[in-house]
Amino acid sequence: AQSVTQLDSHVSVSEGTPVLLRCNYSSSYSPSLFWYVQHPNKGLQLLLKYTSAATLVKGINGFEAEFKKSETSFHLTKPSAHMSDAAEYFCVVMGGFQKLVFGTGTRLLVSP
Amino acid sequence: GAVVSQHPSRVICKSGTSVKIECRSLDFQATTMFWYRQFPKQSLMLMATSNEGSKATYEQGVEKDKFLINHASLTLSTLTVTSAHPEDSSFYICSAAWGQETQYFGPGTRLLVL
Repeated sequence: AQSVTQLDSHVSVSEGTPVLLRCNYSSSYSPSLFWYVQHPNKGLQLLLKYTSAATLVKGINGFEAEFKKSETSFHLTKPSAHMSDAAEYFCVVMGGFQKLVFGTGTRLLVSP
Repeated sequence: GAVVSQHPSRVICKSGTSVKIECRSLDFQATTMFWYRQFPKQSLMLMATSNEGSKATYEQGVEKDKFLINHASLTLSTLTVTSAHPEDSSFYICSAAWGQETQYFGPGTRLLVL
């Protein structure tokens, strides 16, 4: 079965510094992987997705993620954090029948 | 991206009553809609998958008689929480997809059962 593990429940950064949110996946076949962001009391917004094309995936708002098969990782990065990036981030893998399996989430805190 | 709406955004009801939540895909036809549940500070858990015109497929542990799902058209799915109890209080989120494409999520419905 497909699964994802988000290694950090909370990540704190200062505005203007880089962001790294870590995600490892487990899959018996080439996975489809996603990062979603959820702002407080809001729905989820797709940041980016990997579907076996380029291993470096660029998303919205300056985020990108790199698929590393050897490390079974799909970490999310951004060169410079903005206050508006503070939110909950979910790493997601697609299982059978289009089912999405969510990680436990990482809360990103951005301080001035 | 595509737009998915949910109504209502927030609902408070008394224990024992039923509540209906609507999920609409506004600018595309959704062959499949998904219903998720999210408890405070937790991740999303898939409850059920519904394909237009057929019965929903429920995940293990989800009571189909309690959480009634209808997907009568390509733009509308409804989730009815029957005989709601306080433990049903949660954030319910739907998503919609066309074929094998990306799922687009609604803004969620916060249910509070008193």
